[in-house]
Amino acid sequence: DAKTTQPPSMDCAEGRAANLPCNHSTISGNEYVYWYRQIHSQGPQYIIHGLKNNETNEMASLIITEDRKSSTLILPHATLRDTAVYYCIVRVPRNTDKLIFGTGTRLQVFP
Amino acid sequence: KAGVTQTPRYLIKTRGQQVTLSCSPISGHRSVSWYQQTPGQGLQFLFEYFSETQRNKGNFPGRFSGRQFSNSRSEMNVSTLELGDSALYLCASSLSLAGSPEQFFGPGTRLTVL
Repeated sequence: DAKTTQPPSMDCAEGRAANLPCNHSTISGNEYVYWYRQIHSQGPQYIIHGLKNNETNEMASLIITEDRKSSTLILPHATLRDTAVYYCIVRVPRNTDKLIFGTGTRLQVFP
Repeated sequence: KAGVTQTPRYLIKTRGQQVTLSCSPISGHRSVSWYQQTPGQGLQFLFEYFSETQRNKGNFPGRFSGRQFSNSRSEMNVSTLELGDSALYLCASSLSLAGSPEQFFGPGTRLTVL
């Protein structure tokens, strides 16, 4: 079973920041937080990952709380092409690439 | 650099038949994983291969099998197809054994079982 809890859906206006929350209250010390997204009918796409520090790349920012029990993925200026299902996954990056996907958050960006 | 390719993209089979799906990873990638995606169960891990060895397996019946070749290309096979095997089958590749942070997914093979 997935170790994360995400809201089933969210809306965001184009150009605004999209903040997608994820709860992972049972995360262990060596587990990283990963975010992937899946645009309709395509394969999932890696977005970002982190352990305890906040991370930023060209796609998004990842904010992890100090107790590591929750995190937020931030898309700073959402576009219509960001409409997708976003998955938050926790895992230990060791000896396996296995990903356990939950139900994710369906983000709808509207004009 | 070419992405992960999967063939065929669409497939229609009837119950009882068997099917083989193919995945070509990104050049240089040695790890290939397979996933099944259905509306009811979501994305579920099938198995994972590295250097021609299966190193992890999901909770699927023995009708689902796979293999990896020396060039890292991978195939999965489903025998005695059931209606519930209708799904999008996705493969993903990554660079190495060390739990690479970024896995690259292919576009998937859409299997319909009639």
